[in-house]
Amino acid sequence: GESVGLHLPTLSVQEGDNSIINCAYSNSASDYFIWYKQESGKGPQFIIDIRSNMDKRQGQRVTVLLNKTVKHLSLQIAATQPGDSAVYFCAENPTGGGADGLTFGKGTHLIIQP
Amino acid sequence: EAGVAQSPRYKIIEKRQSVAFWCNPISGHATLYWYQQILGQGPKLLIQFQNNGVVDDSQLPKDRFSAERLKGVDSTLKIQPAKLEDSAVYLCASSLYISEAFFGQGTRLTVV
Repeated sequence: GESVGLHLPTLSVQEGDNSIINCAYSNSASDYFIWYKQESGKGPQFIIDIRSNMDKRQGQRVTVLLNKTVKHLSLQIAATQPGDSAVYFCAENPTGGGADGLTFGKGTHLIIQP
Repeated sequence: EAGVAQSPRYKIIEKRQSVAFWCNPISGHATLYWYQQILGQGPKLLIQFQNNGVVDDSQLPKDRFSAERLKGVDSTLKIQPAKLEDSAVYLCASSLYISEAFFGQGTRLTVV
């Protein structure tokens, strides 16, 4: 079954506001997590990653937070811009499974309102 | 740096026909993945290659799907015969290290 999921299928925010996209995972053994952005008609694009020995990582305008206690992952986008409109997926790399492929959740569609 | 190349971009076939997709990974990337993305869902791993060897094909429907990467570079994914539920975007990805994968634009398959 699917082990990674997102709380909301759609998130609508005003341009300039901060966006927070959430993700819950069920495999407590997972040690690596990635956020991908997928625009219409394109493949997923890497945004930011985090390993299980960290609880926060910052990039340019993006921050990923990891709470291993409740198995929760979030992506924060500062000052949301029209170009941020896309579907966002969290993905995990489960350990012990013998494979390095990622398990993706269903995605959250971020809609930017002018 | 050139990205992952896939062809064709779109394909429409009738059920029970066969179809093949091609992927050229980023130069030097030893690991290649094929994912299936059904509309409204996240990508699902079908098969992973390390060079020309299969690392994981546990979710590949082997009665109808096959994939190869003979020289450890390009790869092809084939479906024969296709079913209606195979309609999806087929994504190829490659990575230099095991974790950060770069995706191509995908092939959108419609089975009618």
